[in-house]
Amino acid sequence: NAGVTQTPKFQVLKTGQSMTLQCAQDMNHEYMSWYRQDPGMGLRLIHYSVGAGITDQGEVPNGYNVSRSTTEDFPLRLLSAAPSQTSVYFCASRKAGGNEQYFGPGTRLTVT
Amino acid sequence: DQQVKQNSPSLSVQEGRISILNCDYTNSMFDYFLWYKKYPAEGPTFLISISSIKDKNEDGRFTVFLNKSAKHLSLHIVPSQPGDSAVYFCAASEHNAGNMLTFGGGTRLMVKP
Repeated sequence: NAGVTQTPKFQVLKTGQSMTLQCAQDMNHEYMSWYRQDPGMGLRLIHYSVGAGITDQGEVPNGYNVSRSTTEDFPLRLLSAAPSQTSVYFCASRKAGGNEQYFGPGTRLTVT
Repeated sequence: DQQVKQNSPSLSVQEGRISILNCDYTNSMFDYFLWYKKYPAEGPTFLISISSIKDKNEDGRFTVFLNKSAKHLSLHIVPSQPGDSAVYFCAASEHNAGNMLTFGGGTRLMVKP
């Protein structure tokens, strides 16, 4: 099992550009989430999904879109990047009914 | 307003001694608590958890204590090893809150040989 994989590892964007952060898991987990990590703030939930076709907003959803067309994939889209979105982004998954989340290695995004 | 707080941004201990990492929360609806460990350039990895029906959970060198009346939990690592040097995050969830985990800001633990 590869677990949770994320691409790319690093990305630099100019303000206003768009991009998609990819996330995939091979554990057949129902739940998937996106977090951002900023210094001193811990990890904050952006969006999450409880199954294919179902998504919901987390604590900091503005500026981000998600979709969940398959169980395995949960991409995060930035439609118009802003410097405030400079952060490290983590994708996570877990089994329905479980509490332990499995995290990917992260994507470090810089918006200039 | 942060619902989960780790008030010590860093902690330094000698190898072999006990490390105690603390976490406070304000939301009385939280009923499940987790500790994650994070090395640089890696994602967080699950370490240990505790349900609100318990006050202690132990796994090898790691023990988590929960004091519900004080809304406080702590992670004890005995004995501490240099490989334990990492950032530790406390997290909490509500049973009926879907997939939401609320994280503290993290504590960087440094274990000196």
